[in-house]
Amino acid sequence: DGGITQSPKYLFRKEGQNVTLSCEQNLNHDAMYWYRQDPGQGLRLIYYSQIVNDFQKGDIAEGYSVSREKKESFPLTVTSAQKNPTAFYLCASNLGSQPQHFGDGTRLSIL
Amino acid sequence: AQSVAQPEDQVNVAEGNPLTVKCTYSVSGNPYLFWYVQYPNRGLQFLLKYITGDNLVKGSYGFEAEFNKSQTSFHLKKPSALVSDSALYFCAVRVDTGGFKTIFGAGTRLFVKA
Repeated sequence: DGGITQSPKYLFRKEGQNVTLSCEQNLNHDAMYWYRQDPGQGLRLIYYSQIVNDFQKGDIAEGYSVSREKKESFPLTVTSAQKNPTAFYLCASNLGSQPQHFGDGTRLSIL
Repeated sequence: AQSVAQPEDQVNVAEGNPLTVKCTYSVSGNPYLFWYVQYPNRGLQFLLKYITGDNLVKGSYGFEAEFNKSQTSFHLKKPSALVSDSALYFCAVRVDTGGFKTIFGAGTRLFVKA
């Protein structure tokens, strides 16, 4: 079955720690996205990538970093510079102008 | 500025009654419009889209949406609601900013009472 796999499902971050959220897709999609979801605010775009080895900042990129070394993978690192990281993080992918396919998210909390 | 508005935080309907979830948008150019649904602790699932053509779009699970260019609206509808339709619904518009960015509304929570 094709789809997007996000791991882990739950993640806890200590003060000053960087954490990395995994996103893998086997849909052969060119574009991948990371969103942050907070209650009542919808989805906000963190980073997106249209091709391998290229990515662009979204609306709230500060405190986050990404890489796109393989078409299938688009990991997101939440750095210690992100002072309010508690949120639900969603990864998505698509091809051209088609609808986005979403993973089931990672919920990040602070210890 | 390009934006999507879902004016209702919550919509309550009785099972069997028709439902409408509202969405209006403001974009330059021709929009690609989408509706997604989200169940608790899950990702978003695609319901339907409008790109061009017939203003009434039919999608998954009996949902449909009507594109109204003059009112810049894309309301989601279903003739007869089910309890299982209770979820969070997002309207989204895709804009060509050189990177085809998608803008999501804040979401509307639908409660269907038995």
